[in-house]
Amino acid sequence: SQQGEEDPQALSIQEGENATMNCSYKTSINNLQWYRQNSGRGLVHLILIRSNEREKHSGRLRVTLDTSKKSSSLLITASRAADTASYFCATDEGNNNDMRFGAGTRLTVKP
Amino acid sequence: DGGITQSPKYLFRKEGQNVTLSCEQNLNHDAMYWYRQDPGQGLRLIYYSQIVNDFQKGDIAEGYSVSREKKESFPLTVTSAQKNPTAFYLCASSKRDYSSYEQYFGPGTRLTVT
Repeated sequence: SQQGEEDPQALSIQEGENATMNCSYKTSINNLQWYRQNSGRGLVHLILIRSNEREKHSGRLRVTLDTSKKSSSLLITASRAADTASYFCATDEGNNNDMRFGAGTRLTVKP
Repeated sequence: DGGITQSPKYLFRKEGQNVTLSCEQNLNHDAMYWYRQDPGQGLRLIYYSQIVNDFQKGDIAEGYSVSREKKESFPLTVTSAQKNPTAFYLCASSKRDYSSYEQYFGPGTRLTVT
């Protein structure tokens, strides 16, 4: 089944630095969503970007979408230790509208 | 206080036993989902339901069963036919089953079968 694939698998940065995570997919999409998961918890929705949008902002989060390259990026600016979590992108399969999740990027922000 | 709840948080069972995981939501959402997450991996869709008394198989439905008798409830049964049931199970809901709606997740149930 179609799903997004995140890159890198793991990322470790210092507090205050920016963190960039990427998501690639294979077929056309209607929507792409980013979620966050703290260890052992459920996922929390961060942001949704539609296929006709190129960029969206939410607080310290910036998401871009390049449909020609079939990729999206999530940028967290001025990272904090509390941003330590796994981040997942989820894409739909076009006609079915089913959402599929990638394997995630595990972000560690060191204080 | 609206939300989605799962119980129990931890569940232990012997091999060969069926076990049912609870999922309840008071968000008045039509769509509900069950996912399985293995260590260091993403989520895989087991079953989803768009409306009461209707549900569809996801990518890994074999060895699992669900029911949707009430809008608020979507229990998942892990049967003895599931070959590798030990995993973290997540339930989610959304207003509709369309990708333009965000999914709200429960806290998860960690199932260990020995």
